[in-house]
Amino acid sequence: ETGVTQTPRHLVMGMTNKKSLKCEQHLGHNAMYWYKQSAKKPLELMFVYSLEERVENNSVPSRFSPECPNSSHLFLHLHTLQPEDSALYLCASSQDIGPTDTQYFGPGTRLTVL
Amino acid sequence: GNSVTQMEGPVTLSEEAFLTINCTYTATGYPSLFWYVQYPGEGLQLLLKATKADDKGSNKGFEATYRKETTSFHLEKGSVQVSDSAVYFCALSEANQAGTALIFGKGTTLSVSS
Repeated sequence: ETGVTQTPRHLVMGMTNKKSLKCEQHLGHNAMYWYKQSAKKPLELMFVYSLEERVENNSVPSRFSPECPNSSHLFLHLHTLQPEDSALYLCASSQDIGPTDTQYFGPGTRLTVL
Repeated sequence: GNSVTQMEGPVTLSEEAFLTINCTYTATGYPSLFWYVQYPGEGLQLLLKATKADDKGSNKGFEATYRKETTSFHLEKGSVQVSDSAVYFCALSEANQAGTALIFGKGTTLSVSS
């Protein structure tokens, strides 16, 4: 596989469930990102990792917990979510975290919280 | 803070029409500017970018010029096709103390009919 892949593509969960989203990049990049795309709102950056270390967390609620075990994999662990957390969650990667580095996005996971 | 403003959509055009999608930004420093496209059911794909003033990004017949004096990065295409129907996002990237962040506009939906 090439590029950035995400699994699952669709996820339905109850508010008491625990689930994880997975992202994998096959581009040899050093940086990975989680974004949230809600209807009628701009994409929101959630987390940034560079060389497996978190460098940015935009005040995301603790019910979202990221994990980056190596530079190719990124997880987003979910627990006790709320219905307003329903959204498309996009993963991205870039060579580094400089301002000219292009971010490459995966297809996203469509999450529905009941 | 930094921000990106895009024209409200949806934009509806006939095939072979001229397209302009306006984008203006507010930023401190010297951001890089991007246009991303999202086709139905997919993640974001980089369409083009410009990293300094007066640069012109181009790809697949689309063009945008980085205008520092008007803080704009309008997207244009001379003759649209049905396959161009998608959501287009303008974004800026600027270095900060945490590394970098992509700040997106809300997106503009383009619908092209034959």
